[in-house]
Amino acid sequence: GQNIDQPTEMTATEGAIVQINCTYQTSGFNGLFWYQQHAGEAPTFLSYNVLDGLEEKGRFSSFLSRSKGYSYLLLKELQMKDSASYLCAVRDRETDSWGKFQFGAGTQVVVTP
Amino acid sequence: DVKVTQSSRYLVKRTGEKVFLECVQDMDHENMFWYRQDPGLGLRLIYFSYDVKMKEKGDIPEGYSVSREKKERFSLILESASTNQTSMYLCASGTDYGYTFGSGTRLTVV
Repeated sequence: GQNIDQPTEMTATEGAIVQINCTYQTSGFNGLFWYQQHAGEAPTFLSYNVLDGLEEKGRFSSFLSRSKGYSYLLLKELQMKDSASYLCAVRDRETDSWGKFQFGAGTQVVVTP
Repeated sequence: DVKVTQSSRYLVKRTGEKVFLECVQDMDHENMFWYRQDPGLGLRLIYFSYDVKMKEKGDIPEGYSVSREKKERFSLILESASTNQTSMYLCASGTDYGYTFGSGTRLTVV
């Protein structure tokens, strides 16, 4: 199984940068995902990392270090619409054939004017 | 785009009622999942299915059952609803490379 830890809440100002950390413990890591969830809505896919390093996608970047069991999601040039919960999810090799992921509790990001 | 449709956005049911939550996906995915989401606990897996008529228990299956008679449809059943099953229920469909979620059903059991 996995243990996934991420901060409960972070607050940042519009235009700033925020880094959301995620640490995990798994018996057989096979991919890490970040999802964004606005209040009352379904989670939507943001990024997928399976190899070490940084993946950049516009204002959002995701980093993975498998040896440290660590990932972060970097949100740049924050906008008010980025206020949402950000979910870290890990796929375990033991259940890889079924695509089953384990989710963290989510980090609520509050963007202030 | 993959579309995952949950039949109801809001439901209110009485304790002891049998409750059906329906989920339909249109991308021919083999894998489908039911999660519940509660504040501070995140998404917890109830059941999943990797093929028609196949089902596997997730982390919190007690009090729930599922049905997958057709590839596109995965139903969650609360055999006898209880107040501790008040929650947001999310269906997902996908592959090893990511899920698409439905819009969720907020169930209140009174």
